[in-house]
Amino acid sequence: AQKVTQAQTEISVVEKEDVTLDCVYETRDTTYYLFWYKQPPSGELVFLIRRNSFDEQNEISGRYSWNFQKSTSSFNFTITASQVVDSAVYFCALSSYNQGGKLIFGQGTELSVKP
Amino acid sequence: EADIYQTPRYLVIGTGKKITLECSQTMGHDKMYWYQQDPGMELHLIHYSYGVNSTEKGDLSSESTVSRIRTEHFPLTLESARPSHTSQYLCASSEEGPDEQFFGPGTRLTVL
Repeated sequence: AQKVTQAQTEISVVEKEDVTLDCVYETRDTTYYLFWYKQPPSGELVFLIRRNSFDEQNEISGRYSWNFQKSTSSFNFTITASQVVDSAVYFCALSSYNQGGKLIFGQGTELSVKP
Repeated sequence: EADIYQTPRYLVIGTGKKITLECSQTMGHDKMYWYQQDPGMELHLIHYSYGVNSTEKGDLSSESTVSRIRTEHFPLTLESARPSHTSQYLCASSEEGPDEQFFGPGTRLTVL
């Protein structure tokens, strides 16, 4: 079975702090894809990144960076120098061809960045 | 920017009413999905479609039904709404299976 666990339900930081959101996944598939989505208070989900299981290189996009480690089945997301606009719920998700491409979401982490 | 639309954005109705939540996308995607999400909680897949005339139930049992007569249109219907149906409903589409899914803005449904 596939499963995604985001153990941090809520995180609160002060602006300019760095923050890491944890994501641990379970799958028996050898080829799979990991995603991060952002859900601001307005409710829509915004795609942030997709990473396939064969690419363990870390990725950086501006203040965002992702650390994918197959050895620990983790795909953590770090925001550097957080800003108030980063306040949102962040979801990690897992997908694979064997599962028909359906996304399995974690429970979400609510990030609150205070000025 | 994704071109996927949902109407209405907000809906408050009484118990027993029949409702249809609309979802349309202009990207030509074959795959479309409906998720149900309670506030601040995880998303649960309730229906999906891999193309015209294809519909499947998702992982979370739902009393709603869907149809896919046109590629761009994937409406969700509740024949008789109940307070337990109060939730946010998110529609999404994707090009290939494990591709990123593009989400609509959601419909927040309240059944009194």
